[in-house]
Amino acid sequence: EPEVTQTPSHQVTQMGQEVILRCVPISNHLYFYWYRQILGQKVEFLVSFYNNEISEKSEIFDDQFSVERPDGSNFTLKIRSTKLEDSAMYFCASTRSSSSYEQYFGPGTRLTVT
Amino acid sequence: DAKTTQPPSMDCAEGRAANLPCNHSTISGNEYVYWYRQIHSQGPQYIIHGLKNNETNEMASLIITEDRKSSTLILPHATLRDTAVYYCIARSGTASKLTFGTGTRLQVTL
Repeated sequence: EPEVTQTPSHQVTQMGQEVILRCVPISNHLYFYWYRQILGQKVEFLVSFYNNEISEKSEIFDDQFSVERPDGSNFTLKIRSTKLEDSAMYFCASTRSSSSYEQYFGPGTRLTVT
Repeated sequence: DAKTTQPPSMDCAEGRAANLPCNHSTISGNEYVYWYRQIHSQGPQYIIHGLKNNETNEMASLIITEDRKSSTLILPHATLRDTAVYYCIARSGTASKLTFGTGTRLQVTL
C-alpha cells in the first residue's frame, strides 16, 4: 500500500540554524499538508499546499517557515532560524483530490532544537 | 469547524467492543464527523467519517445521532494494538485542514 514517507526521522539542530524537513507524498496526490505536535500537546495544522501555492496557513506558520515542492515528488518544510520552541514532531500529510476524505499522514520527523 | 468534546481516557478489555463517544452539538449541516487515531507518536491514521447516516468499514463503525449532535465510534473487538489516542473532528470540505483536539486515550487491556 502506498504511504507518505518523511526524512529524517530525527533531526537535532542548534538554535538559529536552518533545517529542511522532507516528505514524499503518495504519488498521485495533489494536496499536501504540514502539521506539528509539541510533546504532550495537540496535533496542530501549519500549512496546506496545492497547485504550487499555499492554500491555507495557521498563525504558527510565520515568516520563518516556508514550504516548497522542488520537484514532482518531494514536499519540504524549511525553518529558517530555529528556536527552542520549534522542537516538536512534524507530520506531513497528503490527499488525492478535492473530493477525497482521507488525509494520509507520514511517520513524522522529530526535531530537537538545542 | 465545530468544537468537539471527548472524554480524556477510557479503558476496554481485549476482545470487547470499545465505544468512544463524541459531542459536537454545534455541528453545521455541511460538516462531516471524522475519526482519526494516533498510536504512540506515529502519524494520525484515518478511521472513518460520516455525515448523518451510520457508517461501517473494516476498522470500525460510526453511529451518528439523528440530531447530529453526538456520535460514537465503535471498535467491535478491541485488541491491544488498538491502544491509541482517538480524535473526533468536525470538518467541512474535503481538502481542508484537520483541527485536532485532545482526543480520548483508549487503553486496551488483557
